[in-house]
Amino acid sequence: AQSVTQLGSHVSVSEGALVLLRCNYSSSVPPYLFWYVQYPNQGLQLLLKYTSAATLVKGINGFEAEFKKSETSFHLTKPSAHMSDAAEYFCAVSVNSGATNKLIFGTGTLLAVQP
Amino acid sequence: NAGVTQTPKFQVLKTGQSMTLQCAQDMNHNSMYWYRQDPGMGLRLIYYSASEGTTDKGEVPNGYNVSRLNKREFSLRLESAAPSQTSVYFCASSQRTSGVHSTDTQYFGPGTRLTVL
Repeated sequence: AQSVTQLGSHVSVSEGALVLLRCNYSSSVPPYLFWYVQYPNQGLQLLLKYTSAATLVKGINGFEAEFKKSETSFHLTKPSAHMSDAAEYFCAVSVNSGATNKLIFGTGTLLAVQP
Repeated sequence: NAGVTQTPKFQVLKTGQSMTLQCAQDMNHNSMYWYRQDPGMGLRLIYYSASEGTTDKGEVPNGYNVSRLNKREFSLRLESAAPSQTSVYFCASSQRTSGVHSTDTQYFGPGTRLTVL
């Protein structure tokens, strides 16, 4: 069965520091992987997705993620954190279900940015 | 273009009461989904509808029913609410795309915060 594991339920960084949020996947087939962001009291917004076209994926707001098959990882990074990046981040893997794809989500990582 | 809309935003129920959560999308998507979000558990799929006229169970369907009213609307019903159904409920929609390096992207509504006393 496909699944994702997010290491670290809470991550705190200083403004201007590197952001690294970890996601490892388990899949018997080449996976499609997603990162979503959830700001307080809002729905989920797509940050970026991996569909096997390129291993380094660039998303919105300066975030990027690199697919590493040997490490079964899809970690999210941003070189310099902004206060506005404080949110909860979810990694997800897509599961083919016939006419549609279901998403299996990780448990989320809450990012705090300190001034 | 409003995307995915959900009503109500907040609801408080007593144990045993029933209610229906409404979801609508204006993106002409074929597929729609209902999730629940609980602290420390991420989002879990309750039901989904791959296309108009079809519905399927997700990971946590017990205690819920759904109706795909038409292509735009997908409702979630709690027949007899229980405290364990206190959660934030999200609706999403997607459209399968073609091509070698393509996949569905799900777009989410703002959520309904439900408390069952």
